[in-house]
Amino acid sequence: ETGVTQTPRHLVMGMTNKKSLKCEQHLGHNAMYWYKQSAKKPLELMFVYNFKEQTENNSVPSRFSPECPNSSHLFLHLHTLQPEDSALYLCASSGGGAGDNEQFFGPGTRLTVL
Amino acid sequence: SQKIEQNSEALNIQEGKTATLTCNYTNYSPAYLQWYRQDPGRGPVFLLLIRENEKEKRKERLKVTFDTTLKQSLFHITASQPADSATYLCALDGGATNKLIFGTGTLLAVQP
Repeated sequence: ETGVTQTPRHLVMGMTNKKSLKCEQHLGHNAMYWYKQSAKKPLELMFVYNFKEQTENNSVPSRFSPECPNSSHLFLHLHTLQPEDSALYLCASSGGGAGDNEQFFGPGTRLTVL
Repeated sequence: SQKIEQNSEALNIQEGKTATLTCNYTNYSPAYLQWYRQDPGRGPVFLLLIRENEKEKRKERLKVTFDTTLKQSLFHITASQPADSATYLCALDGGATNKLIFGTGTLLAVQP
């Protein structure tokens, strides 16, 4: 295990639902990330948090709302999603600081939007 | 804008041979480059990091080169094994602290 856990592992939701993805890291890291991975596409960085502060929002639609209450936890709140939002959502963490630190990924949440 | 290209087609090799994967990039001069391995249904796992002032990095059966003139990194697995079968992703320094830009990955299949 990488020390990064994600729940749930699978999620099916309708376009009118509201749900949240949870990520927790047990590595003492200061930076956390949300990525979206779709078939045949590269990993897309969505959000970056450093020391609980959002430092990157990669033009993500407002139907995705991140929350970082502390350095160990990261949430992604979902509402009124579209079918094209179906993908694997990956959380990662790193030590922060110098910026070239390796990232540790969780197993991901497979999201299906009906 | 920055662009990263990895072999889009799967790479099939025989067990015991050396696998060589390519990562090319344009419109950018990254300070470092990382390689990750991803198995089906799992998140990527970090393998190696190489900085712009380093030509080559090794770790056990893995070797990475970084040619900033050609704008290319090569990832080698020597004495490949079926257990090496996975998708390999290259990721470049995204120009901001803690930001990485990933390629689409290359699927490697090592046949016994």
